[in-house]
Parts: sequence; structure tokens; C-alpha cells
Amino acid sequence: DIQLTQSPSFLSASVGDRVTITCRASQGISSYLAWYQQKPGKAPKLLIYDGSTLQSGVPSRFSGSASGTEFTLTISSLQPEDFATYYCQQLNGSPFIFGPGTKVDIK
Amino acid sequence: QVQLVESGGGVVQPGGSLRLSCAASGFKFNNYGIHWVRQAPGKGLEWVAFIRYDGSLKYYADSVKGRFTISRDNSKNMLYLQMNSLRAEDTAMYYCAKISGGWYYIDYWGQGTLVTVSS
Repeated sequence: DIQLTQSPSFLSASVGDRVTITCRASQGISSYLAWYQQKPGKAPKLLIYDGSTLQSGVPSRFSGSASGTEFTLTISSLQPEDFATYYCQQLNGSPFIFGPGTKVDIK
Repeated sequence: QVQLVESGGGVVQPGGSLRLSCAASGFKFNNYGIHWVRQAPGKGLEWVAFIRYDGSLKYYADSVKGRFTISRDNSKNMLYLQMNSLRAEDTAMYYCAKISGGWYYIDYWGQGTLVTVSS
């Protein structure tokens, strides 16, 4: 089965910072990767799909990119509402596993 | 607007069974595949199962294969997860989540139902 790793697992940042989160797949998954944001006590929210396509309604400060089996989520200028946990998910085929998550906290 | 409302969670003893339901509205239910995803308290997301729009294709995580069964009733706009031989490690919030169409990406989630497996 495909494994996903995320780095870092935790990061502390300030409002206005540029933040980058990486998700690596253990084997090729084409571009079938999604990024979700989850806030405490809430269901996740889709941010990016197909590795780099912004979901409708998601602010343009969020972007995704891919290079081989390495995928990146970038927040260009961190806003107060962006403090949350971020998960990647591979959807190339079953099992549709999630990465372990990256918690973005306030510095 | 799209709504997914889970129910059926509760406290069950190890080895017991539970049936979760997910009531869907606001979209053409029989056009979309649906996932079940769970999250243990304080832990990350774990994908559990997927069912195709017409019920003809089902996938399961290894951790639940042979114990859980996903099904749907398109005439009632309902999704189900039958959970048997429950273990302590099945304790989690269970979410139903619809795909966006086209591929397996999840664009809408329910608010979840909590399952606790404990003696």
C-alpha cells in the first residue's frame, strides 16, 4: 500500500508568514492528491485537489504544487483563521489514506 | 444546500455491533460515491470505506475489512456502515463524506457520530 508522510508535523508561525507543508508518497500517485484543513471540533474542509487545483471558495493565498511524489501546500500569507491542522490524502487508488497531519500553531 | 447527517453512534462493548447511518440531502444522492472516514480522539484522519454511486463497487481499509460493511439505499438517500466485532481501537468520530464527482475527492463532510467501544 502507498504510505504518505507529512513534514513538518508541527509548525509555529506568525500572521503574515509564508508557510509550506510537504507531503511525500511512497510511490507514484499521479496528481491524485488532496489537501484538507481541519479546525478543532469541526469536519475537514477541502482546499486543494488534483495536487494543485484550488477548490471553489478557498482563498487564493492557498496553493498546491507537485513534483514527482512530493506535494506541497503553501499559504502565502498566514491569516488568523488559518491556524488549524492540515492533512493530505492520496486518491490514486484504494486505500485512500491520509497523511498524519501538520498542525499550524500561533507563534 | 448539501447536508450529510450521521447517526447511530454510541457506547458498545468490545465484540459488539453497531450500525451507523448517514442521511443525505441537497444533492442527487444516486450520482455520487460516498466515503466513511474516522478520527480517534486527538488523532488524525483515517479513511475507512468507500461505495460507488450505484453500490456496485466498495473499498475498505485493511483495519476494518471483514468486520465492516458499507451499503446504501438510493431510494431513501441513505448510507450505512454496519460495524461488527468492534474493538477498542474502533473508538472514533465517524464521518460520512461525499465525493466531488469525477474522482474520489471529498467536497462535503457530515458533522460526525461518535462511536465508543468500551467495557
